[in-house]
Amino acid sequence: EVQLVESGGVVVQPGGSLRLSCAASGFTFDDYTMHWVRQGPGQGLEWITLISWDGGSTKYADSVQGRFTISRDNSKNSLYLQMDSLRAEDTAMYYCAKDKGGAFPEVYMDAWGKGTTVTVSS
Amino acid sequence: DIQMTQSPSSLSASVGDRVTITCRASQRISTSVNWFQQKPGKAPKVVIYAASTLEIGAPSRFSGSGSGTDFTLTISSLQPEDFATYFCQQSFRTPYTFGQGTKLEIK
Repeated sequence: EVQLVESGGVVVQPGGSLRLSCAASGFTFDDYTMHWVRQGPGQGLEWITLISWDGGSTKYADSVQGRFTISRDNSKNSLYLQMDSLRAEDTAMYYCAKDKGGAFPEVYMDAWGKGTTVTVSS
Repeated sequence: DIQMTQSPSSLSASVGDRVTITCRASQRISTSVNWFQQKPGKAPKVVIYAASTLEIGAPSRFSGSGSGTDFTLTISSLQPEDFATYFCQQSFRTPYTFGQGTKLEIK
């Protein structure tokens, strides 16, 4: 069974930094692209970043470009999100998600963690 | 960025009703649309991918259609467990944008 468990969410001051982690199990981690998706309180979903199976390719939403960095350690079956220069609008539940790994147009997130909460507040 | 405009934002319906949710993309995106169901306090889960393919394990009362810019999610006969929020998402090009969501409530 695929399992994704996020951790690292806390209350942090504006301008601060935080690193989220996602521990993966139940599948061959280094075969798949991975994503981070966030959801503000009472808000919709926002895709924010992805990383290819080998870490060689990353993509970001404009809202986090230059402030957030996605990375992975395939030897530890772990995904990370380094969040710098945090703002109040980054307050959200952060989900890691596994890509299905299909060919176009079958590109989608087929497994999600339960999420970890980040609150940016003074 | 590709904008996904989803409607309606909320919908009241009864068990057994047929309901349709629509999503319009700001540019042509082939069939690169996925539909997610989210229940309160839970992570989203996919029900339809690539516009019309039913995810393994999703009930057959869910169906999707569309290509280009206009897409629909249909639930043929609502069941109590279907009351949730639904989101469309385009996976044609990053950033993989979502629609605003449709909250499906019991009438």
